Amino acid sequence: EAQVTQNPRYLITVTGKKLTVTCSQNMNHEYMSWYRQDPGLGLRQIYYSMNVEVTDKGDVPEGYKVSRKEKRNFPLILESPSPNQTSLYFCASSTIGGRSPYEQYFGPGTRLTVT
Amino acid sequence: EDQVTQSPEALRLQEGESSSLNCSYTVSGLRGLFWYRQDPGKGPEFLFTLYSAGEEKEKERLKATLTKKESFLHITAPKPEDSATYLCAVRASGGSYIPTFGRGTSLIVHP
Repeated sequence: EAQVTQNPRYLITVTGKKLTVTCSQNMNHEYMSWYRQDPGLGLRQIYYSMNVEVTDKGDVPEGYKVSRKEKRNFPLILESPSPNQTSLYFCASSTIGGRSPYEQYFGPGTRLTVT
Repeated sequence: EDQVTQSPEALRLQEGESSSLNCSYTVSGLRGLFWYRQDPGKGPEFLFTLYSAGEEKEKERLKATLTKKESFLHITAPKPEDSATYLCAVRASGGSYIPTFGRGTSLIVHP
């Protein structure tokens, strides 16, 4: 089954404690991205990657890091989480060519609470 | 700056009552307009991509249309299972790989 998986699904942590949210896709997609979704603000892209070892900032990258060492994985790293990073996070992937470029498949979401 | 505005913010329909959701956009050049469905607590699910004015796509009770300034998602004879938030996003030309999402329309269909 084609899917994007994220772990953990729920996370409660404290300010300053480094955390990583994993994302994996099994569709051999080149493009992967991270979003946060906040009430009244909609989906905002944090970082994206066009392929292995190629990453770039989205609209709201401050406080986040990513890496793309393998095509299937795109972890999101919060080195020193703060309460304003409390949000619902989604990972997504898509192809970048062919008949359906940038039609993104989203993961189930990770609800992060930073106290 | 690319902008996407969806209206209405919320819509309540009776089962079988057809209606339309609107997505107005301003971009430097449209490379694609995307519609997604999002159920509570879940990730968005891709529905349609539209690339040029005049294009239409259909899936079951949903039909998406595109003009140079806006897109409509028409829902014909909706059922309660169509209840969800519908998101619109645009990808602009000029090498941008960052899509701009609207805030969505929350649709509730009452039996």
